[in-house]
Amino acid sequence: DGGITQSPKYLFRKEGQNVTLSCEQNLNHDAMYWYRQDPGQGLRLIYYSQIVNDFQKGDIAEGYSVSREKKESFPLTVTSAQKNPTAFYLCASSIGTRGETQYFGPGTRLLVL
Amino acid sequence: GEDVEQSLFLSVREGDSSVINCTYTDSSSTYLYWYKQEPGAGLQLLTYIFSNMDMKQDQRLTVLLNKKDKHLSLRIADTQTGDSAIYFCAESGGGATNKLIFGTGTLLAVQP
Repeated sequence: DGGITQSPKYLFRKEGQNVTLSCEQNLNHDAMYWYRQDPGQGLRLIYYSQIVNDFQKGDIAEGYSVSREKKESFPLTVTSAQKNPTAFYLCASSIGTRGETQYFGPGTRLLVL
Repeated sequence: GEDVEQSLFLSVREGDSSVINCTYTDSSSTYLYWYKQEPGAGLQLLTYIFSNMDMKQDQRLTVLLNKKDKHLSLRIADTQTGDSAIYFCAESGGGATNKLIFGTGTLLAVQP
């Protein structure tokens, strides 16, 4: 059963703590993306990766970090430098980056305690 | 810069047609997409249209693209209560990143 999985569904962060959100895909897609969604707003791109061991900053990368050690995995770390981390985080993947359709995971909701 | 705009809310009665509108600014967009988001869930791809097309039909969904006016619409025929969700329009930003530019989403409320 192919698709994109994200875990956990809900995540709580204490002040000053780093947390890592998981994203895994078994679609054999080369490209993966992280978006942030705030209430009443569209999605904004945090980071994207076109291929293993390579990634680029999106529009709102400050306070976040990523890694792409395996094709199927693209974890996102929300660092303590991100001052307003409460949001819904969505991971997506696509076959490539030449206009191919992006498919989304179910999302992780991050809340700050 | 690139921008995508949508109206925030649409209310229709069950069985009527819904039309959700979207305007965009990037004339180099290759593909334009419609995604559906149910409460607390990720985005589900509904349909997309290539920029050299002006219409695409897929069962109850009809997408119309007016490239001259940079206007995209999604028509849902025979709207059902299960269609209640937020609908996002998105354009591919072109270039090498395949970056999607999203609108703010339109909340569709279907009244029984």
